[in-house]
Amino acid sequence: GAVVSQHPSRVICKSGTSVKIECRSLDFQATTMFWYRQFPKKSLMLMATSNEGSKATYEQGVEKDKFLINHASLTLSTLTVTSAHPEDSSFYICSAEGALGYTFGSGTRLTVV
Amino acid sequence: SQQGEEDPQALSIQEGENATMNCSYKTSINNLQWYRQNSGRGLVHLILIRSNEREKHSGRLRVTLDTSKKSSSLLITASRAADTASYFCATVSNTGNQFYFGTGTSLTVIP
Repeated sequence: GAVVSQHPSRVICKSGTSVKIECRSLDFQATTMFWYRQFPKKSLMLMATSNEGSKATYEQGVEKDKFLINHASLTLSTLTVTSAHPEDSSFYICSAEGALGYTFGSGTRLTVV
Repeated sequence: SQQGEEDPQALSIQEGENATMNCSYKTSINNLQWYRQNSGRGLVHLILIRSNEREKHSGRLRVTLDTSKKSSSLLITASRAADTASYFCATVSNTGNQFYFGTGTSLTVIP
């Protein structure tokens, strides 16, 4: 079956540093990948949609210069949180769209101290 | 895998009929959420049901939760062509805010 690997599962970083989160489709090609963020006790919020080889489409209110998304290949998308602040601490999850539908990564817990 | 299972994988109905999708999961949960995704678009949150709730309604949506059977169902009444989409359940574990998604049900509503 379709598998998406998201790495790292947990990361702690200092304020001002950047953190990269990877989302890989292991056994299928993902034409589109989605990045979500979950705020405490709330549902997932779509941050951006990325298509391989093109610029990501960001949802309203999401800073594209802060949350850099790169979808360089059909199996890999990365989300880089730049100049992280404590308020960026959250749970981030990706999903990939392939021929068989959508598959989700297991998520990344980011803590900025 | 901690990913949930959804049943059926695909469902095709006539407009006006009811659509029922089921979700089974493996771990103890804090809450269970249903999402919808149209082709090429992101998830849209539909409804959240907490572990101490048994049934919840929102418009044409009705969700039930049976924690003893670790299962949930989503009923869409009086379906419309615009309901055509993929539907996912997601559980939030008691240990934290980890999301575990089901495999999804592809619903097609024929006008």
